[in-house]
This record gives sequence, C-alpha cells and structure tokens, in this order.
Amino acid sequence: AQSVTQLGSHVSVSEGALVLLRCNYSSSVPPYLFWYVQYPNQGLQLLLKYTTGATLVKGINGFEAEFKKSETSFHLTKPSAHMSDAAEYFCAVRTYGGSQGNLIFGKGTKLSVKP
Amino acid sequence: NAGVTQTPKFRILKIGQSMTLQCTQDMNHNYMYWYRQDPGMGLKLIYYSVGAGITDKGEVPNGYNVSRSTTEDFPLRLELAAPSQTSVYFCASSFSGGGGAYEQYFGPGTRLTVT
Repeated sequence: AQSVTQLGSHVSVSEGALVLLRCNYSSSVPPYLFWYVQYPNQGLQLLLKYTTGATLVKGINGFEAEFKKSETSFHLTKPSAHMSDAAEYFCAVRTYGGSQGNLIFGKGTKLSVKP
Repeated sequence: NAGVTQTPKFRILKIGQSMTLQCTQDMNHNYMYWYRQDPGMGLKLIYYSVGAGITDKGEVPNGYNVSRSTTEDFPLRLELAAPSQTSVYFCASSFSGGGGAYEQYFGPGTRLTVT
C-alpha cells in the first residue's frame, strides 16, 4: 500500500531564504508523485508532478522537486521565498490496483514567510 | 473552462438535518472525488467515481452518500448531519487514460458547520 509522510507540520522561513519542504513516500511500485498548494480559504492547486523520466521536476511559481528513489523522497524546494508563498503544501502519491487513480495525501506542511 | 465548481460555499446545519453538496466539472473528466479536510489531518477520501453510474467508497464514507448520473455532476448527500461532519469538503476530478498521471483538479470547497 502507498503512503506519504510530510516531515514538519509548520515551516517558517525568512523572505529570500531557501524553502525546503520534506516528503517521503512508501510504494511497492514506481510511484507517481505530486505536490499541491493550498492558499487560505481556497482549493488545492497542482504545483508539480513526477511520473517517469527526469527526476528533477519543475513546477509553477519557481518551485521544483527531486525524485530520489534510493531515499524514497520527493522534497519540494524553492531557492528564494516570497511572501506570496505562504500557504499549506501537500505531497501526494497515486495509488494502484482497485482504486487506481486515487491519491494518498500527506497531512500537509504550513509554510510561513517572515519579512 | 470553469473547472470544478462547488455550491454552496458555506452552510450551517442543525444536527439531524440533511443536505446535498453540489459539484460540477466541465473538463470531461471521467473520475470524480469527494474529500473532507480537517485541521492537521490532510485530506480524507469519502467517495469516488470512475464514470457515470459507478461509485465506490473511500476511506471515510460513513454518514455520506453519492450518485453519478452524468459525467459532469457528482453530488454528495449528508442524510442525518452530526457534529463530526463539521469540515471543509472538496470535490475533485481527473482524467484517466493515455498513460496520464491522473492529477486531480480541485474545486474551491464547501465549509460546513453542524451545530
């Protein structure tokens, strides 16, 4: 069965600092992985996804994530945080089998950006 | 395209009342989903549908019902509202086929309070 663990429910960075949000997954088959962002009082928006091929995936708003099979990780990074990046971020893995297509979500990491 | 739309945005119910949360998508997606989001708990799948006339339970289906008579619509029914159903509800849709990643597109959510 697939699962996702996000390390750190809250992360705080200063504006201009590196953003690193951690995600580890468990999957018995090659995973499809996703990062979503949720701004206050809004739905989830897809930031980026990994399917196959290049392990460094670029997304919207300057975010990127690297798939590391040996570490079962898919950490999200951004070189320089902006105030507008303050939001909650969710990592997700696609399931296989009977519920093919369903996503398993992590519990989320709330990012705060200090001026 | 409007994407995924949900109505209402907010609702307050008394214990024992019933209501239907509406969800419509205009992307011709075959898969649709209902989630609930509680603080610090991520998203929990309530029900999903792989096409018109086909629905299946997710992780937390008790107290809810769904139907899918058309590709576009996927309403969620609460029959006897309970305080435990106070939550934010999200509808999502995705497209399967063509080797795609099944990334999900989310509506803006319905904030439900049961008192």
